[in-house]
Amino acid sequence: SQTIHQWPATLVQPVGSPLSLECTVEGTSNPNLYWYRQAAGRGLQLLFYSVGIGQISSEVPQNLSASRPQDRQFILSSKKLLLSDSGFYLCAWRAFTGTIIANTGELFFGEGSRLTVL
Amino acid sequence: KNQVEQSPQSLIILEGKNCTLQCNYTVSPFSNLRWYKQDTGRGPVSLTIMTFSENTKSNGRYTATLDADTKQSSLHITASQLSDSASYICVVSAIPSGGSYIPTFGRGTSLIVHP
Repeated sequence: SQTIHQWPATLVQPVGSPLSLECTVEGTSNPNLYWYRQAAGRGLQLLFYSVGIGQISSEVPQNLSASRPQDRQFILSSKKLLLSDSGFYLCAWRAFTGTIIANTGELFFGEGSRLTVL
Repeated sequence: KNQVEQSPQSLIILEGKNCTLQCNYTVSPFSNLRWYKQDTGRGPVSLTIMTFSENTKSNGRYTATLDADTKQSSLHITASQLSDSASYICVVSAIPSGGSYIPTFGRGTSLIVHP
């Protein structure tokens, strides 16, 4: 069966410090991978998605970057954190079901990483 | 621009009561609509999926409806339980172009069930 692991679960970082959140998926190959951020009381905002190794698309300009060094590994990084980077970060992968034209695949989310920037 | 609007933003009900959550979307061309449940501090989990040809689908005490003509969906929860307290998120997907798949998320409805 497929599983998704995300860590660390919680971290508190000072402004200006670096960040690295890691996500790995097991039990599937060549998954579409996603990083989302959820601010307190807000909906999920897509930050990055990847359809393959080294292929990263960014949805919004920001202080963050993403990398996919291996097929099932997705990393979210920052060189210098801002206060506004605080939030709940979720990694997800998409299953492929249905057809190429109408993929109905479900998004499977990790347990999330809660980041507080002080 | 693809958008998903959910209402109400929050809802408080007593245990055992029923409730209905609403989702309106402007995603095109429509592929499917999913309802996710997100417990506090956890990742969302899919409850149901609705495709274009489906009008109603049930998953235990959860029943989702879809009206593709008016671009509306609802999630009905029957005989609510304390464990139903969560955020319910409507996610709509368009038929992908260029191989990419970016579903559109609603902001969610926060449901609190009181004993």
